[in-house]
Amino acid sequence: DAKTTQPTSMDCAEGRAANLPCNHSTISGNEYVYWYRQIHSQGPQYIIHGLKNNETNEMASLIITEDRKSSTLILPHATLRDTAVYYCILQNSNSGYALNFGKGTSLLVTP
Amino acid sequence: EAEVAQSPRYKITEKSQAVAFWCDPISGHATLYWYRQILGQGPELLVQFQDESVVDDSQLPKDRFSAERLKGVDSTLKIQPAELGDSAMYLCASSLTRTGSPLHFGNGTRLTVT
Repeated sequence: DAKTTQPTSMDCAEGRAANLPCNHSTISGNEYVYWYRQIHSQGPQYIIHGLKNNETNEMASLIITEDRKSSTLILPHATLRDTAVYYCILQNSNSGYALNFGKGTSLLVTP
Repeated sequence: EAEVAQSPRYKITEKSQAVAFWCDPISGHATLYWYRQILGQGPELLVQFQDESVVDDSQLPKDRFSAERLKGVDSTLKIQPAELGDSAMYLCASSLTRTGSPLHFGNGTRLTVT
């Protein structure tokens, strides 16, 4: 299965944009890029997903490079409640479309 | 917003005992997943259902774990007998379809085996 690579941890000041990178150099043409986050003691929360085009919703923006080998999740104005582990995941038919989580990026938003 | 319901929220059991977890997915969601998450790691898929049928249970330790979704709605995950290494968070998720639909997770059952 295609894998993703994310930094282990990142810091961001409250009110600033948080830019979380993800590398997926072996992505195939029919694989979606999904982003989830998990706050301590809760289940993962869906944020956003995309295939080729950049996507935006009320929570975040997803920027996918033209070659699709990497992507960036942008939280435009981070708050303390955005402190969480963020997972970048590829969804493909080889896994029955289930999501295979890695270790993610632990984002700490500081006052 | 509709949620995936899981119970119990916490469970403490002694090793060699039986334990069961229950999940009620979002109404209309045909696909249901059970994941296990060990502290400090990402969730790992145990079993996937499409309606009442198992799609993938390749990572389910079938000597002690079983899962069912008899009417294609709610689901039960059972462990018998429980072992110390089974201590983890057990997460249920559902999605509208298998392809291109986000998974929606419940808040899990935290199992401690003593």
